[in-house]
Amino acid sequence: DAKTTQPPSMDCAEGRAANLPCNHSTISGNEYVYWYRQIHSQGPQYIIHGLKNNETNEMASLIITEDRKSSTLILPHATLRDTAVYYCIGVKNFGNEKLTFGTGTRLTIIP
Amino acid sequence: KAGVTQTPRYLIKTRGQQVTLSCSPISGHRSVSWYQQTPGQGLQFLFEYFSETQRNKGNFPGRFSGRQFSNSRSEMNVSTLELGDSALYLCASSLNRVGFRGEQFFGPGTRLTVL
Repeated sequence: DAKTTQPPSMDCAEGRAANLPCNHSTISGNEYVYWYRQIHSQGPQYIIHGLKNNETNEMASLIITEDRKSSTLILPHATLRDTAVYYCIGVKNFGNEKLTFGTGTRLTIIP
Repeated sequence: KAGVTQTPRYLIKTRGQQVTLSCSPISGHRSVSWYQQTPGQGLQFLFEYFSETQRNKGNFPGRFSGRQFSNSRSEMNVSTLELGDSALYLCASSLNRVGFRGEQFFGPGTRLTVL
């Protein structure tokens, strides 16, 4: 699975869009980009994933660059409940379920 | 639909003892994975079971083992506990549809403290 690089921490004002970057320059062609988050003392929670195209769901949007070397997770209107550690993970479609978590980005939403 | 459940939620053991943790996946999910989370090493993959077979294994010593039952429920066992085994142990289940990987759903974890 591709090695991902994320900033260790970020702040965002409540109500503003939170843009979390992820670098995955070694990602292979069949490797998906997944985002999870972990709110303090809870299990990680799936947010969104994508392969090449931009994706949007009820939680977030995922923008993947054309060369697929980086992506950005966008939380359009951040709330205090979005304070969490966000993980960007490369996942190959081999049928096994191993997730390799990095250190993630600790996002703090400021009131 | 009920989420992933893990029991017990908290556990205190002493060095040298063994421990068994239990995980009940979401109904219909056949894949169960286990992870260890510590402040120093972060979230690390332990192993994954699918249809009662261990399909993938992380880099942990043989003291860590697991199994999956026919109803997809899973247990993990740690023998001869060491202080460094103190961690949050997380279980995750997924549908594991053929040809496409869906998301994993995590339980709340079991916090193990080894004294």
